[in-house]
Amino acid sequence: KAGVTQTPRYLIKTRGQQVTLSCSPISGHRSVSWYQQTPGQGLQFLFEYFSETQRNKGNFPGRFSGRQFSNSRSEMNVSTLELGDSALYLCASSSGLAGDTDTQYFGPGTRLTVL
Amino acid sequence: AQSVTQLGSHVSVSEGALVLLRCNYSSSVPPYLFWYVQYPNQGLQLLLKYTSAATLVKGINGFEAEFKKSETSFHLTKPSAHMSDAAEYFCAAKGNNDMRFGAGTRLTVKP
Repeated sequence: KAGVTQTPRYLIKTRGQQVTLSCSPISGHRSVSWYQQTPGQGLQFLFEYFSETQRNKGNFPGRFSGRQFSNSRSEMNVSTLELGDSALYLCASSSGLAGDTDTQYFGPGTRLTVL
Repeated sequence: AQSVTQLGSHVSVSEGALVLLRCNYSSSVPPYLFWYVQYPNQGLQLLLKYTSAATLVKGINGFEAEFKKSETSFHLTKPSAHMSDAAEYFCAAKGNNDMRFGAGTRLTVKP
């Protein structure tokens, strides 16, 4: 089975711009979660989508949004970029059906740099 | 909500020595626990997970972890470190659909 893929791998944007990141989960997985990883804050949960619906949400401002398509692919959008949004954005896929025992499999991440 | 504490942001061992990375969770109900490894510029790779079936969990690359409820711990060990084990390791806990990660421990392996 192919793993989780994320595109693009690297992005450079300027303050005020918006950005869209893409994630394709493992075939058959219906849940996609997004995380932000920074040296200062570590790994922080952004949100989870399951069957095209947002199922869980972390504590991030409304500038961060996402969606999931019928093929389970997910996109994450950040509007009005700030310098502090520079981070590695990780996507994780899981079946979405096993509750707390569900294992998340991570993609390689998208490195976003905001100048 | 549970929280995860990893003791030691940096651990350095010699090649062939025992690796011990510490993880403690804080939760009134034991959560499901995971260890992940992250190599530079890569995502997280699952090493092992605890789901209450057995307290000693064996993972990939020779790693194992033991769940100790009395100590609220889930420490990761490997009998003999290899140079390729140098990476960052994350402990995570999941309960009530809430996944929390520890701050990570960077493992350095000296030749």
